[in-house]
Amino acid sequence: DSGVTQTPKHLITATGQRVTLRCSPRSGDLSVYWYQQSLDQGLQFLIQYYNGEERAKGNILERFSAQQFPDLHSELNLSSLELGDSALYFCASSVGAGNYNEQFFGPGTRLTVL
Amino acid sequence: DAKTTQPNSMESNEEEPVHLPCNHSTISGTDYIHWYRQLPSQGPEYVIHGLTSNVNNRMASLAIAEDRKSSTLILHRATLRDAAVYYCILIDGQTGANNLFFGTGTRLTVIP
Repeated sequence: DSGVTQTPKHLITATGQRVTLRCSPRSGDLSVYWYQQSLDQGLQFLIQYYNGEERAKGNILERFSAQQFPDLHSELNLSSLELGDSALYFCASSVGAGNYNEQFFGPGTRLTVL
Repeated sequence: DAKTTQPNSMESNEEEPVHLPCNHSTISGTDYIHWYRQLPSQGPEYVIHGLTSNVNNRMASLAIAEDRKSSTLILHRATLRDAAVYYCILIDGQTGANNLFFGTGTRLTVIP
């Protein structure tokens, strides 16, 4: 158990809909990261927040957005969903934001878009 | 980001040492070498990282070539639980960012 929690575990929805994925980092961790893992694209970094502020952006679509709240939990919002958005979404956390920090990953949310 | 090259798959017998190679010929002087692994149906898990010197921790050892163009993750005694996809990732120490760019990794199969 990494100490990172993600809800829900599974999500099934239809194209065009909007969903919110939630992540609670390990106690004391200030950085939260979101990753997407699909069969054809592998594991891709989406976005990083550090202490409430956006720190780095990866291959995140404009239809996706994220935020980190004052209590440090984070939410990833996916809208206008397409079939290709079906994937495993992982959240990770680390103490700081720099390269010396190991990341602790949650169990993931499996999103299925029908 | 500098690229890494790993074999797609490797096999090892249980309780034998495993050497997982990674080539990173375009590594820059400020790139850290990180290894993560992903067990089946789980999120990735940090294994080890280093910059120039060899590193040891409770999970594994990391041997870094003198010219830093390659590195090897060493599992001293493979167990069935070590069957996973292992990712070698370079992180630029200058940017201060910690985004992990995963490649395809090496799928390790451990044979009982």
